[in-house]
Amino acid sequence: SAVISQKPSRDICQRGTSLTIQCQVDSQVTMMFWYRQQPGQSLTLIATANQGSEATYESGFVIDKFPISRPNLTFSTLTVSNMSPEDSSIYLCSVEGGDADEKLFFGSGTQLSVL
Amino acid sequence: GQNIDQPTEMTATEGAIVQINCTYQTSGFNGLFWYQQHAGEAPTFLSYNVLDGLEEKGRFSSFLSRSKGYSYLLLKELQMKDSASYLCAVRDDTGFQKLVFGTGTRLLVSP
Repeated sequence: SAVISQKPSRDICQRGTSLTIQCQVDSQVTMMFWYRQQPGQSLTLIATANQGSEATYESGFVIDKFPISRPNLTFSTLTVSNMSPEDSSIYLCSVEGGDADEKLFFGSGTQLSVL
Repeated sequence: GQNIDQPTEMTATEGAIVQINCTYQTSGFNGLFWYQQHAGEAPTFLSYNVLDGLEEKGRFSSFLSRSKGYSYLLLKELQMKDSASYLCAVRDDTGFQKLVFGTGTRLLVSP
């Protein structure tokens, strides 16, 4: 299994500002995934972050809005840029556990509210 | 494209059995997962199916039929703490093998 520390756990931000979310894993992992969960909704994949290369973004998400860093095999950041109230969501990082079924383990999430 | 459907909400009584269905139409398939998510918490893994059939794990079982694009999660001897959202997710078979989540089913267990 993997233990993931994600911070901040929550934040309230002003429109037009940016917030960087950090995700630290207790073991080395090849890929890290960033998800968004809007109020009352299921999880939507934002991007896949591979160490040493540019993140791969899903349809509807762009690097200018959600820049991602992946400086090493245990750490990643997601920035939510130029925020608007529509960005109010829970943001979750996740990694594969490394066992046979390669299930995902999730960080505790960042509850973001944009005023 | 990816399309994963689940009922939005279900209610059941403590001690009963409930079946949560998931149908999927995806461009590739490399396994189906069920996750439980309590309000305000991160999802936690419940079960994994990659071959057809039933996987049993205590009070929870999960079934998969790949030809029908269908799975269900069966919860027995329901407890109040089982009130949560249940998320069906399909892993694709592309390079990153990412998980695509369904709409989620909110289960309310009443006394």
